[in-house]
Amino acid sequence: GAVVSQHPSWVICKSGTSVKIECRSLDFQATTMFWYRQFPKQSLMLMATSNEGSKATYEQGVEKDKFLINHASLTLSTLTVTSAHPEDSSFYICSARPGTQNTGELFFGEGSRLTVL
Amino acid sequence: RKEVEQDPGPFNVPEGATVAFNCTYSNSASQSFFWYRQDCRKEPKLLMSVYSSGNEDGRFTAQLNRASQYISLLIRDSKLSDSATYLCGARGSNTGKLIFGQGTTLQVKP
Repeated sequence: GAVVSQHPSWVICKSGTSVKIECRSLDFQATTMFWYRQFPKQSLMLMATSNEGSKATYEQGVEKDKFLINHASLTLSTLTVTSAHPEDSSFYICSARPGTQNTGELFFGEGSRLTVL
Repeated sequence: RKEVEQDPGPFNVPEGATVAFNCTYSNSASQSFFWYRQDCRKEPKLLMSVYSSGNEDGRFTAQLNRASQYISLLIRDSKLSDSATYLCGARGSNTGKLIFGQGTTLQVKP
């Protein structure tokens, strides 16, 4: 199957700093990528839809100024958690789908575990 | 009300048992449905897509009831390796967004 890679796999940072997470589709182009967040023992919550060359679409309740998304190329989307706080500690996972249609399997990255001290 | 709902469990079953999970969705515009498996601290992996006609893959059978807006997953002859969290997902064709339920935890015991 298609491969989606995330980096870093885990990161520990101090409160107030910003953290950037990268999501790459390694063997296909993706005009759309999705960012999810998962707290312990909870489900994956969709945060935003990342669109190549345009602004991301955020889900209700997700602060766009805190979670900056950039999708500058067809193989890379980045999520930056700005001024991170301990409550932002979570498992962040991206997913991508080959092509431009809204159908077909979504492939997930390995996830990035963020711990804010 | 959540867009996709599942019983979180946990379901504790002995090896060899048959176990069924249900999932309901509220958005009637949802077009595609999936079951994913997620192991602890890992990303979700697609288990199977769910079709209106029902589909089977080995010990796993998935069913979709559009009229009642629910999806089911049946696991026969449970193995220890089936222990995981099973996520139900619904996707709208317009947005392509995949929304998950909170997951159902299965623990298969010897």
